Amino acid sequence: DTAVSQTPKYLVTQMGNDKSIKCEQNLGHDTMYWYKQDSKKFLKIMFSYNNKELIINETVPNRFSPKSPDKAHLNLHINSLELGDSAVYFCASSLRGKDSPLHFGNGTRLTVT
Amino acid sequence: QKEVEQDPGPLSVPEGAIVSLNCTYSNSAFQYFMWYRQYSRKGPELLMYTYSSGNKEDGRFTAQVDKSSKYISLFIRDSQPSDSATYLCAMNSGNTPLVFGKGTRLSVIA
Repeated sequence: DTAVSQTPKYLVTQMGNDKSIKCEQNLGHDTMYWYKQDSKKFLKIMFSYNNKELIINETVPNRFSPKSPDKAHLNLHINSLELGDSAVYFCASSLRGKDSPLHFGNGTRLTVT
Repeated sequence: QKEVEQDPGPLSVPEGAIVSLNCTYSNSAFQYFMWYRQYSRKGPELLMYTYSSGNKEDGRFTAQVDKSSKYISLFIRDSQPSDSATYLCAMNSGNTPLVFGKGTRLSVIA
């Protein structure tokens, strides 16, 4: 199936740990994103990559580091996890840039205890 | 004033009703307007995509954009229980990241 897929679906971990979330899209899109959705369902962009190049880096703690090995993959590594990092993280992709609609994965529900 | 305002609901309607969902925005540079539907524990999926002002229809869904009033709407005709979800509006100017509303939770009761 053509889709944006991210793993893992659920991630429960303790404060201070380091974890990674992986994302892959087989839609042939040029641009990939990470969004964070908090408990009030508000979606906020974190990062955007276009053809492996970082183009958006919103005000996000530098404990969060995205990595794009190729244009079909965008991973998110989080160091020294904090309670406030608990949220759902969505990967998305779009055909071109900012005027193209986004296609989302089903999210990774991160719980930090 | 927030860039995009959307009433979070919840909105509860009987099956078959016409549903009206709305967003207002403050940035007059916004030109691209989208509606996403998000089921529980799933990612948002694109429902409607419009450029500039006007109407767009797709099956039971109609999207309207009124740029003069900075107001967009999504109408759902003959609503079904399967339409129960959170509806998010999103918009941008084409060279800025998409800005999302907070979403309206809709329940369609059989």
